[in-house]
Amino acid sequence: EVQLLESGGDLVQPGGSLRLSCKVSGFSFSSYGMNWVRQVPGKGLEWVAAVRRGGDTYYADSVQGRFTVSRDNSNYTVFLQMDSLRAEDTAVYYCAKDSALANYYFDHWGQGTLVTVSS
Amino acid sequence: EIVLTQSPATLSLSPGQRASLSCRASQNIYFQLAWYQQKSGQPPRLVLYEASKRATGVPDRFSGGGSGTDFSLEISSLEPEDVAIYSCQQRYTWPPTFGQGTKLEI
Repeated sequence: EVQLLESGGDLVQPGGSLRLSCKVSGFSFSSYGMNWVRQVPGKGLEWVAAVRRGGDTYYADSVQGRFTVSRDNSNYTVFLQMDSLRAEDTAVYYCAKDSALANYYFDHWGQGTLVTVSS
Repeated sequence: EIVLTQSPATLSLSPGQRASLSCRASQNIYFQLAWYQQKSGQPPRLVLYEASKRATGVPDRFSGGGSGTDFSLEISSLEPEDVAIYSCQQRYTWPPTFGQGTKLEI
């Protein structure tokens, strides 16, 4: 069974930093791209970042230069380092796996972790 | 960036009725559209990809159609468990983008 479990969400002050983790199991982690998608409670979904199986990374313009996505294939974990946080980064952050069919179809999701940026 | 516009915002129907949800893209995305179902307090679940292909485990009462800029998700006979927000998402151009969602009430 495919499982994704996020952790690291917290309350942080504007300008602060936070590191999210997503531990996965149930599939060959190194063979798939992984993504972070966020959702402001009650609002729509926004793709944030991706790390391909080869390590290439991609970011939404809204987080480019502030967030860093990475992966540890030996520990089946993907990370999202978030720096210079802003109030508008407040959201539930989901880890999502690329489908086998194509990048950017997300066939499995974690339960999400809440990041709140507030003073 | 491609904008996806979903309609209606809210759809209220009865069990057994047919639901039809719409997603319109701001430019041609061919067939590269997915639909997700998100129940209250849960993460999204992939329902359809490539506009019309059902994901693993999705009941056959869910179907999708369309190409280019106009797409639809249909649920042939609504069940109470289908209450959710349904969002479309395109992967044709970077960055991948989502619609704002349609809330389905039963």
